Amino acid sequence: GQQVMQIPQYQHVQEGEDFTTYCNSSTTLSNIQWYKQRPGGHPVFLIQLVKSGEVKKQKRLTFQFGEAKKNSSLHITATQTTDVGTYFCAGPGGATNKLIFGTGTLLAVQP
Amino acid sequence: DSGVTQTPKHLITATGQRVTLRCSPRSGDLSVYWYQQSLDQGLQFLIQYYNGEERAKGNILERFSAQQFPDLHSELNLSSLELGDSALYFCASSVGDSGQPQHFGDGTRLSIL
Repeated sequence: GQQVMQIPQYQHVQEGEDFTTYCNSSTTLSNIQWYKQRPGGHPVFLIQLVKSGEVKKQKRLTFQFGEAKKNSSLHITATQTTDVGTYFCAGPGGATNKLIFGTGTLLAVQP
Repeated sequence: DSGVTQTPKHLITATGQRVTLRCSPRSGDLSVYWYQQSLDQGLQFLIQYYNGEERAKGNILERFSAQQFPDLHSELNLSSLELGDSALYFCASSVGDSGQPQHFGDGTRLSIL
């Protein structure tokens, strides 16, 4: 079945350093979504990308959808302690087009 | 506030017991999804309902069942509970039934003793 993998699984950075997580799907996606889950919290929808090669920014976060629509990345510039959490990508897949969540990347930021 | 309400927030019970988790979706959302998240694990999709009908099934155990009622709230029933069922159970909702962004509730933390 369709799989969505993310790397790295875990990253520890010093506050102020940049961070990137990569998302790879085994099949072409009609869209890619990103979610953030703070420790002890629930996943929160961040953004959706639809077009091939699309790039969107939210303040210090930059989201990119690959040309082949099979991969995506999330880049955080100058991390802050508020960025701590697990970042999930997700894309529709399977016969029912349900969202398939990636394995997640846990970001730890040391002040 | 996502607009998705889950009750109860915490549930402690014993092996062999049965529990019911409840979810009210965001106003206007017709789809409800259930996920299981064990400690330091990802989101395991269990089941989806759309406008009262089962739409998609994931790795849901036979001991687990769910339904969506006419008022669109949903219940997840877990029976013959085992220690390994201890986890965070999330409900999410979306407008449609086909890959739209999902909005998650705060979850129910289930602890089996």
